[in-house]
Amino acid sequence: QSVLTQPPSVSAAPGQKVTISCSGSSSNIGNNYVSWYQQLPGTAPKLLIYDNNKRPSGIPDRFSGSKSGTSATLGITGLQTGDEADYYCGTWDSSLSAGMFGGGTKLTVL
Amino acid sequence: QITLKESGPTLVKPTQTLTLTCTFSGFSLSTSGVGVGWIRQPPGKALEWLALIYWNDDKRYSPSLKSRLTITKDTSKNQVVLTMTNMDPVDTATYYCAHDPGRAAGLLFDYWGQGTLVTVSS
Repeated sequence: QSVLTQPPSVSAAPGQKVTISCSGSSSNIGNNYVSWYQQLPGTAPKLLIYDNNKRPSGIPDRFSGSKSGTSATLGITGLQTGDEADYYCGTWDSSLSAGMFGGGTKLTVL
Repeated sequence: QITLKESGPTLVKPTQTLTLTCTFSGFSLSTSGVGVGWIRQPPGKALEWLALIYWNDDKRYSPSLKSRLTITKDTSKNQVVLTMTNMDPVDTATYYCAHDPGRAAGLLFDYWGQGTLVTVSS
């Protein structure tokens, strides 16, 4: 079981908005940056968000990130069928001196 | 352009040692701050962070697997090697290596290899 807690699944209709939460503790999310990754079926993960809320070049502004205390949130607006994927949060744990990922959230665009 | 590619056996027997190599291009592991990490994903399951090696040879390991993992680098060959001892069928997974650009206070992998599936079976 992951130290970072994500909902197993979320769903929404095309064009709608969805949020995915990632809950941790003071030793990880509370004191470190969070990144988010999208994994399309059968492919390697892809960086979506880093430093809590920054988007790499080429990532549309439909994707956003935020952090408050020991939780982080990924937001996706204007949902498209191509957004159907697994989404993972990741951060560092200062106590463990190790990285970690959340358990992943499967997004279904109905 | 940064690329990474994992290589190694696709099948290992229980109790054997797994050796995986990550061969990369487009960056140097002698550049301050840069790192290369290993992540694995059992079929149908979540990502699991395994290990990370930095430009200065600083190494970090997953606490739950630390006793079984060793990460090393060969800067001249642009390679990072991960060894995992005493393999078990539960270690069956796709193993990824990824580039860490050297951000402080966080986890960040901005480029990933395609992954290599390792099956543990007798």
